[in-house]
Amino acid sequence: QQQVKQSPQSLIVQKGGISIINCAYENTAFDYFPWYQQFPGKGPALLIAIRPDVSEKKEGRFTISFNKSAKQFSLHIMDSQPGDSATYFCAASIGGFKTIFGAGTRLFVKA
Amino acid sequence: DGGITQSPKYLFRKEGQNVTLSCEQNLNHDAMYWYRQDPGQGLRLIYYSQIVNDFQKGDIAEGYSVSREKKESFPLTVTSAQKNPTAFYLCASSRAVASDTQYFGPGTRLTVL
Repeated sequence: QQQVKQSPQSLIVQKGGISIINCAYENTAFDYFPWYQQFPGKGPALLIAIRPDVSEKKEGRFTISFNKSAKQFSLHIMDSQPGDSATYFCAASIGGFKTIFGAGTRLFVKA
Repeated sequence: DGGITQSPKYLFRKEGQNVTLSCEQNLNHDAMYWYRQDPGQGLRLIYYSQIVNDFQKGDIAEGYSVSREKKESFPLTVTSAQKNPTAFYLCASSRAVASDTQYFGPGTRLTVL
């Protein structure tokens, strides 16, 4: 019940395309859903986050869509660029306490 | 220049040796964390600390030990009891354990030969 399931494991997208990464959770007590971006050899960095009282949040080319009833949330990267090539982790926590991370998605954007 | 530093970036040790990974932060954060990252897996929590001189086990604490003698420092010791220590280790901090955003260091890649 504490797991966050993330898919796909890897993703290849053409430059300018839309990258979509999905996550699902079971614990309805989760109240904070961040996405982290990690480049090779670096630590993850917070990209964008959402709370369950909001169905969508957009920051630049990055959008989180949140479906509370389905217990799913997804990251959309519009106009994907080669510089977006990285590993993306979804996560969930209860009040920021003990964040549970998904397994990660390796995104490669072809130039 | 605020942030989290981890040293060394790469570390090699012989099997059976204990090794200590350094983590320092100058963000004035109360909470600090250690995660382990393996290929194809998400980050798994080893230990976390909410305040100086206090720390709690995470999901995979066996074979690891920590100390929190100073607010800015949270070293992790990988002991010989850890059966599969080769991994990428990440240190993070946040304003408090119940704070939403965690800030990560650059990581230490430990290889046990």
